[in-house]
Amino acid sequence: ETGVTQSPTHLIKTRGQQVTLRCSSQSGHNTVSWYQQALGQGPQFIFQYYREEENGRGNFPPRFSGLQFPNYSSELNVNALELDDSALYLCASSKGQITGELFFGEGSRLTVL
Amino acid sequence: GQQLNQSPQSMFIQEGEDVSMNCTSSSIFNTWLWYKQDPGEGPVLLIALYKAGELTSNGRLTAQFGITRKDSFLNISASIPSDVGIYFCAGENNDMRFGAGTRLTVKP
Repeated sequence: ETGVTQSPTHLIKTRGQQVTLRCSSQSGHNTVSWYQQALGQGPQFIFQYYREEENGRGNFPPRFSGLQFPNYSSELNVNALELDDSALYLCASSKGQITGELFFGEGSRLTVL
Repeated sequence: GQQLNQSPQSMFIQEGEDVSMNCTSSSIFNTWLWYKQDPGEGPVLLIALYKAGELTSNGRLTAQFGITRKDSFLNISASIPSDVGIYFCAGENNDMRFGAGTRLTVKP
């Protein structure tokens, strides 16, 4: 149990739709990072939020966007869904701006048809 | 980009055997970490390494941060069935990047 919770656990969307995934960070953690994990691959860094500001971004297009709220929970939004967006989306929380040790949620599995 | 090359991709071993896996990169990292992921779960941190040359143990697991800061290895001694899973290395500078994983199967 990492104390990081994600919702929904599974969802199915069609191409062109939009999706919002949610994450509650572990108590005392002010940094949230989002990762995309395709089947059989390692997690790929999407972006990180520290104190409600984006604090680093991986190689993902602008249709991937996020938010962090004052209670440090976070959302990942993906617009104009493509088939290749099908993946497990992992949220991880940590203390401080330098991520150090990440504590992951169980992920949201997105299927795009 | 900061690519991490993890090997081997998969391992099939007998219970009781020792396991070794490693991770290399063309980039220098400030921190190396090792995670394990079980099916349907997120990765769980096993060991974190913060200094070049550092050797750290966590029970039957031992990991080292390479002197060049471009590599790390993880050893598991006397493997047991619950060691089955996917092991990921991760390197951190301003954000954390992951290798593609080593899938470990342990035969009783």
